[in-house]
Amino acid sequence: GAVVSQHPSRVICKSGTSVKIECRSLDFQATTMFWYRQFPKKSLMLMATSNEGSKATYEQGVEKDKFLINHASLTLSTLTVTSAHPEDSSFYICSASVPGGSGKYNEQFFGPGTRLTVL
Amino acid sequence: KQEVTQIPAALSVPEGENLVLNCSFTDSAIYNLQWFRQDPGKGLTSLLLIQSSQREQTSGRLNASLDKSSGRSTLYIAASQPGDSATYLCAVRLSKSTFGDGTTLTVKP
Repeated sequence: GAVVSQHPSRVICKSGTSVKIECRSLDFQATTMFWYRQFPKKSLMLMATSNEGSKATYEQGVEKDKFLINHASLTLSTLTVTSAHPEDSSFYICSASVPGGSGKYNEQFFGPGTRLTVL
Repeated sequence: KQEVTQIPAALSVPEGENLVLNCSFTDSAIYNLQWFRQDPGKGLTSLLLIQSSQREQTSGRLNASLDKSSGRSTLYIAASQPGDSATYLCAVRLSKSTFGDGTTLTVKP
C-alpha cells in the first residue's frame, strides 16, 4: 500500500514556541491531505483538509491562525502549531488520499503520528 | 452530522475465541467504511476497506461486513491471538472521515 511518513515522530517544546510537523506521501502524489488530532483514549478528530496549492479547510472550532497548514506540493503538507501551549499537547496524525477514478472511492493512508508535548 | 459509535468500548477474550466488533453510523450516505487497528502510542494500520457498493471484505482471519441501510458494520476476528490485542477503529467516509471512539481488544494467552 501507499506510504505516508511524518516528521518528527516526537517533539517536546516550551510554551510559546512554534512547532512544525511534516507529512509526506512517499510513493504517490496526494492531492488531498488531512490532519487529525487524537486525545488520550479518544478517537481521531479531523482538524482540517488541505488541497495542494489552495488554502486548507478547517473544521468548526479549529483555530486556523493557531494551526497553520501548508500543502505546497503533491507530496508534502505541513502543520505548524503556533505559540504552543500545554493544552496543545496531543497526538497529531496526517493522512493522504490516493487520487483515482471519480475520487469518491479514495482510500486514505495514515502517517505514524507525531506526539507533541508542550511544557 | 455523521456520528459513529463503537460497541463495546473494551473487550477481553481468551486466545482462540472468535469475536465480533460493532460499528454503527447515523448517516447512510457514505462512500466507504474502513476498519483500522491502532497499537498503544502508534499510528493507524488499515485493515479492511469496504466501498459503499460492497457488502463485505475479507483478509486472512478478518471479515468486515457493511449494511448501509441499517447503518451498521461488523468486524469478525476468527481464532483470536494475543497479537490481535489493540484498539480497533472504524471510520466512515463521505467528503471526510468520521471515526468512532474504538474498541480496545485484549486477547489473553
